[in-house]
Amino acid sequence: EVQLVESGGVVVQPGGSLRLSCAASGFTFDDYAMHWVRQAPGKGLEWVSLISWDGGSTYYADSVKGRFTISRDNSKNSLYLQMNSLRAEDTALYYCAKAALIAARSYFDYWGQGTLVTVSS
Amino acid sequence: EIVLTQSPGTLSLSPGERATLSCRASQSVSSSYLAWYQQKPGQAPRLLIYGASSRATGIPDRFSGSGSGTDFTLTISRLEPEDFAVYYCQQYGSSPDSFGQGTKLEIK
Repeated sequence: EVQLVESGGVVVQPGGSLRLSCAASGFTFDDYAMHWVRQAPGKGLEWVSLISWDGGSTYYADSVKGRFTISRDNSKNSLYLQMNSLRAEDTALYYCAKAALIAARSYFDYWGQGTLVTVSS
Repeated sequence: EIVLTQSPGTLSLSPGERATLSCRASQSVSSSYLAWYQQKPGQAPRLLIYGASSRATGIPDRFSGSGSGTDFTLTISRLEPEDFAVYYCQQYGSSPDSFGQGTKLEIK
C-alpha cells in the first residue's frame, strides 16, 4: 500500500525558515518524480514544486522560486521542501504527491494527508 | 502558464441527478494531459480521471471525462450521496502544472 506521510509543519514568523519532510513507502521511490502542492485555508490547490526521480531536475512555481528548495534522499525514501523567507501568503496545508507515470509529465495518483504551515507573528 | 477556469463555481443538485462540470484552458492542453480530482472536507484530493477520459483505478463508471484542446468536462451520470464534494481539474501537459479553482458540488 502506497503511503505518503508529511511532517514538519508549524507556526513560524514572517521571514523565517522551515523544512518539510515526506516519508514514502509502498512503491519504488526512486522510480518516480515527486511534487509538493499546497492549499491555503478555504482555497483551492496550488502546485508548488517538482523534483525528478533522481533529483537532477527541479521546478518551482513563480510564487516560491528563489525561496523554496525541493530535494530528495532516495536512500531514505524521503522528499523534502526547504522553505526560506516565509510570507503570510505561504500559510497553507502542504501535500506531497506522487507522480503516476515515470514519464516527464504526469498526473498525481497518491497524495499524503498534508502538513500545516502557518506564517504569523 | 496555462490558466484553468472551472464552471460553475457551485453546482446544487439532488442525488440521482446528472452533474456536468466544465474546465476551460487558456491555451490548448498538450496530448489531453488533463486530470480531475475529488476532494472532501478534511481529506486529500483523490484522482478520478487522467488523460481527459481514463478512469483511475477503483473509480465508479458513473464518473466520465471528455474533451480535448481547451474544453474539458467531468460528468457524473447519477449522483450518489458520497459524490458531493469539491472537484478540481489539473493540466500536466505544460510546465508549470496548474489547477482550476474548483467546483463545489452541493446537495440541493
